[in-house]
Amino acid sequence: KQEVTQIPAALSVPEGENLVLNCSFTDSAIYNLQWFRQDPGKGLTSLLLIQSSQREQTSGRLNASLDKSSGRSTLYIAASQPGDSATYLCAVKGSSNDYKLSFGAGTTVTVRA
Amino acid sequence: NAGVTQTPKFQVLKTGQSMTLQCAQDMNHNSMYWYRQDPGMGLRLIYYSASEGTTDKGEVPNGYNVSRLNKREFSLRLESAAPSQTSVYFCASSPRTSGGAPYNEQFFGPGTRLTVL
Repeated sequence: KQEVTQIPAALSVPEGENLVLNCSFTDSAIYNLQWFRQDPGKGLTSLLLIQSSQREQTSGRLNASLDKSSGRSTLYIAASQPGDSATYLCAVKGSSNDYKLSFGAGTTVTVRA
Repeated sequence: NAGVTQTPKFQVLKTGQSMTLQCAQDMNHNSMYWYRQDPGMGLRLIYYSASEGTTDKGEVPNGYNVSRLNKREFSLRLESAAPSQTSVYFCASSPRTSGGAPYNEQFFGPGTRLTVL
């Protein structure tokens, strides 16, 4: 069974600092990995999706890397802003026919002004 | 495009009561999903529907039933609510379950916060 872990559970940084969020998974045979943002009391917003054949994906200030062999993905957020305060979740899909996403519990980020 | 919508946003039930959570998507997606989110845990899949007319169990289906009413709508029913079903429920959809991106990218609704007393 795929286990997805996100450490730390919470993170507080001053505005302007770069954020580094970690996601690890136990079964390296994944199909893709997706990063989500969740604001308090809200649903999930997809940020980036990385296919297993890719090493990274970028969108604006966000960059996600994937190292399948070591079972890790990292989400980098450059020059953090108070508006980046949210919970960030990663989820993996096991195979192309797999219906299920396996989620981590998330990292809650606070960016201090 | 409204994306994925869910009703109600909040609900309080007493143990033993029943209710149906509604979900609709306007993205013409084939596949739809119901998840629950509990504190300190990742989202867990309750049921999913790969396409209109089909439904299958996920990780935690006990105590729930689903109906894929048409391509747009996928409802989740609690027949006899229990305190252990207190959670936040999310509906999601994707173009389909299989294949490469963007076909299997899931889009989520805002959630229903359910409390069972």
